[in-house]
Amino acid sequence: NAGVTQTPKFQVLKTGQSMTLQCAQDMNHEYMSWYRQDPGMGLRLIHYSVGAGITDQGEVPNGYNVSRSTTEDFPLRLLSAAPSQTSVYFCASRRGLAGLTSYNEQFFGPGTRLTVL
Amino acid sequence: KNQVEQSPQSLIILEGKNCTLQCNYTVSPFSNLRWYKQDTGRGPVSLTIMTFSENTKSNGRYTATLDADTKQSSLHITASQLSDSASYICVVSAMGAAGNKLTFGGGTRVLVKP
Repeated sequence: NAGVTQTPKFQVLKTGQSMTLQCAQDMNHEYMSWYRQDPGMGLRLIHYSVGAGITDQGEVPNGYNVSRSTTEDFPLRLLSAAPSQTSVYFCASRRGLAGLTSYNEQFFGPGTRLTVL
Repeated sequence: KNQVEQSPQSLIILEGKNCTLQCNYTVSPFSNLRWYKQDTGRGPVSLTIMTFSENTKSNGRYTATLDADTKQSSLHITASQLSDSASYICVVSAMGAAGNKLTFGGGTRVLVKP
């Protein structure tokens, strides 16, 4: 199993540009999520999905869109990049539904380091 | 508001020495607490998880403790190795049927020197 994969690993954008961060998992996990990690702060939830066709907002969703057309893939779209979106982005997945099975281990991808100029 | 506070923010220890990291939380209602290790440039990897009824859990040289009454947890690293250099993140999960109820601490950055 490859686990959770993310592409690209690094990206530099100009303000106003759009892009998609890719995330895929091969563990058949129902639950997938996107976090951002900023220096000195804990990971913050952007969006999450409890299954194909179902997405919901997390703690910091503004400026980001997601979709879940398949169980495996969960892309994160930046609509119009802003310098405040400079961060490291992590995708994660786990078995089961959010909240009900938080005991299940959450697997993280290697991250995408995004810089917005 | 649910919060997880970790201390210290960073520490330096000599190889072979022990150290203890602290985690205080105000998450309610409590479900479980997990410690992650995050190597530089990598995603977090789970070390231990504890529920309300568990007060200690070990994973090799890592031992986590939980005091649910005082809402405190610690992670003890025994006989540190250079590979222990990483950030350690405390994550507390609240019970809830809807939404992701994980609250992440800011992490403790550990540097092990030879």
